[in-house]
Amino acid sequence: KAGVTQTPRYLIKTRGQQVTLSCSPISGHRSVSWYQQTPGQGLQFLFEYFSETQRNKGNFPGRFSGRQFSNSRSEMNVSTLELGDSALYLCASSLEAAGMSGYTFGSGTRLTVV
Amino acid sequence: GESVGLHLPTLSVQEGDNSIINCAYSNSASDYFIWYKQESGKGPQFIIDIRSNMDKRQGQRVTVLLNKTVKHLSLQIAATQPGDSAVYFCAENSYNTDKLIFGTGTRLQVFP
Repeated sequence: KAGVTQTPRYLIKTRGQQVTLSCSPISGHRSVSWYQQTPGQGLQFLFEYFSETQRNKGNFPGRFSGRQFSNSRSEMNVSTLELGDSALYLCASSLEAAGMSGYTFGSGTRLTVV
Repeated sequence: GESVGLHLPTLSVQEGDNSIINCAYSNSASDYFIWYKQESGKGPQFIIDIRSNMDKRQGQRVTVLLNKTVKHLSLQIAATQPGDSAVYFCAENSYNTDKLIFGTGTRLQVFP
């Protein structure tokens, strides 16, 4: 069965721009979570969507937002990009909410802000 | 953020030896734990999980041990192979935090 698909794999954006990343979860998974991974801070939780509702949010500014569609596909958006937003953005899908049955991760989107 | 990752500790082992990767978790209410392996350029890959009502679980060449008294988790890899070289993360979850929180990570290097 197909895994978690994230697009695009790589992105280069300029400070001040906005970006939208996409994630298609494993078929049948209703929970999608997003993580930011940087060398200095490790894996940090951004937010989780379950059945089109945001059920949890991490400690990130309001520039980071997301949504989930009825087919469970999810997008995250970052507005007014800053250099510090350069990171690997990982999406993970899970059968249960909050990953209590484990997450399956995609390969991530590498965002570089210049 | 909840996950702190400053300096990545490194474990170097010889091919064929056993590896033990340790993790200290923070939330005494955590009731679900997972080990992930992340290779360069890829997302974390599930290795093995354990719930808090267990203290040991075995998979293929891997064993996870959970010591709730000292809030410690370990991953044992038997007969370590070059393909095991990666960064390993432990993650904890609980119904009161309601999200998976990752540890710092440990880099495993396997040399011939």
